[in-house]
Amino acid sequence: GEDVEQSLFLSVREGDSSVINCTYTDSSSTYLYWYKQEPGAGLQLLTYIFSNMDMKQDQRLTVLLNKKDKHLSLRIADTQTGDSAIYFCAERANGNNRLAFGKGNQVVVIP
Amino acid sequence: EAGVAQSPRYKIIEKRQSVAFWCNPISGHATLYWYQQILGQGPKLLIQFQNNGVVDDSQLPKDRFSAERLKGVDSTLKIQPAKLEDSAVYLCASRGSGANVLTFGAGSRLTVL
Repeated sequence: GEDVEQSLFLSVREGDSSVINCTYTDSSSTYLYWYKQEPGAGLQLLTYIFSNMDMKQDQRLTVLLNKKDKHLSLRIADTQTGDSAIYFCAERANGNNRLAFGKGNQVVVIP
Repeated sequence: EAGVAQSPRYKIIEKRQSVAFWCNPISGHATLYWYQQILGQGPKLLIQFQNNGVVDDSQLPKDRFSAERLKGVDSTLKIQPAKLEDSAVYLCASRGSGANVLTFGAGSRLTVL
């Protein structure tokens, strides 16, 4: 079954890079996602990666996937105060159209 | 395109009362999901619809929760009777056919006293 683990809290200075990590258990996962949730808001898709890729870059965001270790990371370059939020990784297993989410990682950006 | 609409945004009820949440997905999206997000946790899938049929309701507490999507468009999630542990944000999401991503609504925050 699907089980996604995330660390809980990260504080980073504005302008620095931040890295959020996630591990998942289902080796059949085909897509892995990063969602952002600001206070009182729903989940906003940031980016996703197909399981046959190692890396995906999208402007300030870099996703790294280590399929052997079932490890996913999100790097945010030049972190801004607007990046303060909770970040969730999620996996979608093969043949399955639902997402299983981790507990989230709160990022606080210090000006 | 308009996003996923949910209402009400906030609801406060006493335990043993009932509550209903409504969701209107993005136009044309065949798949609709209800997730429960308890404070400090990630969203957990309650039920998934494909058009007006249920695909997965394995984690729906069926003794008190029910959901329907009668015409394959908007959906209602009901809780009756509510318990304290039902306090959470109820998120609706939709996905178009062949798409790889879910689009979420802003959620309905329920507080059970």
